[in-house]
Amino acid sequence: GAGVSQSPSNKVTEKGKDVELRCDPISGHTALYWYRQRLGQGLEFLIYFQGNSAPDKSGLPSDRFSAERTGESVSTLTIQRTQQEDSAVYLCASSVTGSYGYTFGSGTRLTVV
Amino acid sequence: AQKITQTQPGMFVQEKEAVTLDCTYDTSDQSYGLFWYKQPSSGEMIFLIYQGSYDEQNATEGRYSLNFQKARKSANLVISASQLGDSAMYFCAMREFNGGGNNRKLIWGLGTSLAVNP
Repeated sequence: GAGVSQSPSNKVTEKGKDVELRCDPISGHTALYWYRQRLGQGLEFLIYFQGNSAPDKSGLPSDRFSAERTGESVSTLTIQRTQQEDSAVYLCASSVTGSYGYTFGSGTRLTVV
Repeated sequence: AQKITQTQPGMFVQEKEAVTLDCTYDTSDQSYGLFWYKQPSSGEMIFLIYQGSYDEQNATEGRYSLNFQKARKSANLVISASQLGDSAMYFCAMREFNGGGNNRKLIWGLGTSLAVNP
């Protein structure tokens, strides 16, 4: 597609439920990142995928968070047993290997009630 | 430890005037890159400008320029001729290259909210 697409744009869920967030990167972009942005804060790195290499999961805050990506296609971020502190905007970005330019999606605003 | 500091939570500027948004960084690496992004109320992160640590010239992109002072570890964004549409959050970010060219995570500042007054 022309840009990075994220869905849903908004998600309200009850505490304790699982949620799945989707990111569709720009075609041909080998690198994909997930970031979390809490209200009034900067971005926190969550996870990074580079082609078929093992992902860098060093930013995942707990084992309730996981993410998958098959090859250079769509990625899903799953949060299990959601907690209120998980409420944030989850941003996905993609880029071409070696390029310093990252293209972000519009994010998924997650609200846990 | 790597760190980005943006000391201005909010800034105001009159339309058509220039404004400088401050950013200082901390890194022990010699090779790194500095970014500025704009985040309007829609939430999307928009890439503005990039400065490599070895670039001798300050980066410029249209009305955006980066005042890079390596010895002071500062990378301030200058927006000339402000427009109403420039009202947004502005984030400074850094990427360390760790000796390779692979993409790595960005370290982000907390942002500066810019309001352009008519």
